[in-house]
Amino acid sequence: AQKVTQAQTEISVVEKEDVTLDCVYETRDTTYYLFWYKQPPSGELVFLIRRNSFDEQNEISGRYSWNFQKSTSSFNFTITASQVVDSAVYFCALSESNYGQNFVFGPGTRLSVLP
Amino acid sequence: DAGVTQSPTHLIKTRGQQVTLRCSPKSGHDTVSWYQQALGQGPQFIFQYYEEEERQRGNFPDRFSGHQFPNYSSELNVNALLLGDSALYLCASSFRSPGGPYEQYFGPGTRLTVT
Repeated sequence: AQKVTQAQTEISVVEKEDVTLDCVYETRDTTYYLFWYKQPPSGELVFLIRRNSFDEQNEISGRYSWNFQKSTSSFNFTITASQVVDSAVYFCALSESNYGQNFVFGPGTRLSVLP
Repeated sequence: DAGVTQSPTHLIKTRGQQVTLRCSPKSGHDTVSWYQQALGQGPQFIFQYYEEEERQRGNFPDRFSGHQFPNYSSELNVNALLLGDSALYLCASSFRSPGGPYEQYFGPGTRLTVT
């Protein structure tokens, strides 16, 4: 069965610090998809990134970067030079289905960026 | 271009009652998924609808049922409400493509409180 673990329940950093959010997943499939979503206080989940199991290239988007390592079943997310607006709950998710059925979300990491 | 919309925003029901939640997908999307998010937890997959049929179901009892209409909008029905059904109910839409699950766009959710 698929499972996503986010061991960090809460993280607090001071503005401009770098922060890494950990995500470890379990799946028996060779084809799967990984996602990160942000949930600000307003409650609406915001899509950040999708990565399929065949693409281990790391990705950078502005201050955000993702490190996908199949050998350790991890898909970590780093925010560089954090800002107060980055404060939110971040969820890592896994889908084994080609059609996006049954996304399994991790429990989330609450990030607080202090001014 | 309207995103995913859900109604109502908030709802208070009494134990044993029935409730219907509504969702309109993002323009161009044909697939709707429903999630239950309890306080402090990640979203849990309830089911997904495509072509007016339930395609996959998570670990939820038959009290949870749904429907998709020809215009792709969807309803989530919950019968015989329990106190434990109190949660944020999220609707997500996506476009079903053989290229893999593209990002799901989430609505703002309906906060259901059962007293």
